Amino acid sequence: NAGVTQTPKFQVLKTGQSMTLQCAQDMNHNSMYWYRQDPGMGLRLIYYSASEGTTDKGEVPNGYNVSRLNKREFSLRLESAAPSQTSVYFCASRYWWSSGNTGELFFGEGSRLTVL
Amino acid sequence: ILNVEQSPQSLHVQEGDSTNFTCSFPSSNFYALHWYRWETAKSPEALFVMTLNGDEKKKGRISATLNTKEGYSYLYIKGSQPEDSATYLCAFSDSNYQLIWGAGTKLIIKP
Repeated sequence: NAGVTQTPKFQVLKTGQSMTLQCAQDMNHNSMYWYRQDPGMGLRLIYYSASEGTTDKGEVPNGYNVSRLNKREFSLRLESAAPSQTSVYFCASRYWWSSGNTGELFFGEGSRLTVL
Repeated sequence: ILNVEQSPQSLHVQEGDSTNFTCSFPSSNFYALHWYRWETAKSPEALFVMTLNGDEKKKGRISATLNTKEGYSYLYIKGSQPEDSATYLCAFSDSNYQLIWGAGTKLIIKP
């Protein structure tokens, strides 16, 4: 069982370069998330997709875009990378239902991005 | 601004000792409280999702309690083992269902 797979695991970019982080889940979850994790801080939500065909901003969306390509895949794009985007990025998924949501999140292994 | 606090930030515990740490969260609009275990170089994995005031959950040597009226949850580890070394994350969910995360408690078990 692959669970949540994200690529690449490591990436070094120069300021101004662009890149896309890929995420795929094989658990038939309808809801997917992108978080960033910085030292001394909790996970912060960048964007999420409650269901296929919808995306919404989270707490820290500036400088990022997302695409929910299909039910399985949710990509995160940095159009013009900045040093402030140096971070560890986590993709996660869970099953969401409209009457409430106590479902646990399933995470990928993280992507460590350094912007010089 | 919703805030979730975890204490302590880090903790060194002798193998075999028991330990506990705290997650504090807003007591209004409570929906759920999540605990995750995050080992270095791995993905965070869910331990518990708790929804009811007074709830207690247990998984092996790890247990958690929940007090939604005063806004705190405790995670207990009984008889710590080296494999318990990890960062323990809690996250609060209000009626909007999004999770607000604490910064984690890093637990190091000394053999």
